[in-house]
Amino acid sequence: KAGVTQTPRYLIKTRGQQVTLSCSPISGHRSVSWYQQTPGQGLQFLFEYFSETQRNKGNFPGRFSGRQFSNSRSEMNVSTLELGDSALYLCASSLGQKLFFGSGTQLSVL
Amino acid sequence: GESVGLHLPTLSVQEGDNSIINCAYSNSASDYFIWYKQESGKGPQFIIDIRSNMDKRQGQRVTVLLNKTVKHLSLQIAATQPGDSAVYFCAENSDAGGTSYGKLTFGQGTILTVHP
Repeated sequence: KAGVTQTPRYLIKTRGQQVTLSCSPISGHRSVSWYQQTPGQGLQFLFEYFSETQRNKGNFPGRFSGRQFSNSRSEMNVSTLELGDSALYLCASSLGQKLFFGSGTQLSVL
Repeated sequence: GESVGLHLPTLSVQEGDNSIINCAYSNSASDYFIWYKQESGKGPQFIIDIRSNMDKRQGQRVTVLLNKTVKHLSLQIAATQPGDSAVYFCAENSDAGGTSYGKLTFGQGTILTVHP
């Protein structure tokens, strides 16, 4: 069974731009969660989607948004990028309580 | 202000030794805990989990111990191998009793280095 797939693997953007990251969960998994990982703050929860509905949201500004499609695939969007948004963005899917992570998208904001 | 990076605890062991990685969690209401291993350039990899109604759970070469009285979690790795070198994170479910299984609160991580 294929794992969680995130695209792109690397991304370079400049301040003020917006970015969309994609996540394909493990087949059969309906829950998708997003995390931001930085050296300064560690792993922080962004949001969780289940059956196309946002089920929970972390403490991030409104510039961070996401959505989930009927096939459980998910995207997250960051608008008006700031230097501090440079991070590894991780997606995880789950069927129950076990979360399985993808390899992440490394975003660099210049 | 200037951001300060996390200073991760480190643990260095010799190949074949047993390793113990510790974690203090914050929410006394958390009812589910997970250990993850993260290698360079990869996402966190599930190792083992434990529910709050247990105090010990064993997997292949790994054991997790849970002490709810002092809110402490530990991961024991038997016969540690060089391939075990990675950053290890504990995580707790922050939506205890709810249905939001995807919201985890992660510890800062511990760097494990195994010397051949």
